[in-house]
Amino acid sequence: NAGVTQTPKFQVLKTGQSMTLQCAQDMNHNSMYWYRQDPGMGLRLIYYSASEGTTDKGEVPNGYNVSRLNKREFSLRLESAAPSQTSVYFCASSFRGLNTEAFFGQGTRLTVV
Amino acid sequence: KQEVTQIPAALSVPEGENLVLNCSFTDSAIYNLQWFRQDPGKGLTSLLLIQSSQREQTSGRLNASLDKSSGRSTLYIAASQPGDSATYLCAAPVGSQGNLIFGKGTKLSVKP
Repeated sequence: NAGVTQTPKFQVLKTGQSMTLQCAQDMNHNSMYWYRQDPGMGLRLIYYSASEGTTDKGEVPNGYNVSRLNKREFSLRLESAAPSQTSVYFCASSFRGLNTEAFFGQGTRLTVV
Repeated sequence: KQEVTQIPAALSVPEGENLVLNCSFTDSAIYNLQWFRQDPGKGLTSLLLIQSSQREQTSGRLNASLDKSSGRSTLYIAASQPGDSATYLCAAPVGSQGNLIFGKGTKLSVKP
């Protein structure tokens, strides 16, 4: 019963390096999301994809890009990592409409030095 | 713009006590409200989703209520146990898209 799977679980980057966070869901959900969680700031939406082929910016999109590869997979890319992007990143998925119960992955703890 | 607030930020109770966690929101035109649990270093686990047409939703020792007119939801935990210690988050979706606006959570500690 996998649900939402994120890789990697931990990552340390040097400033300026790039990386891609991977996310896959097996619940046939239409929508997928990337959030970041920071102490004192709570969870904030970075990007979301309401359906395959579409992506939209959330509250804090600067410095990130996303790709909805297919219905199952949604990746988040940091092109040139900055210390301000040190955070815990969560991927989530849900249906659209009235029943938007969201399910989350276990998170990626990213440190940029 | 929807804002979600959770007060208090932290709560400590003795084992066995019944307790209520509070969540307030500014835009009453919500489709639903979701409660999550987060253990340290872990992801979010969905506890309950309460639809706008419902007033209550129950799962085991947990009961969530929703009052759209007052902009409030509560999570009632009966007979608390040390294993209930975690951070509890509430979140409201933006329209029908499913993007969630989160409160900052209530950190619950249940003492044996």
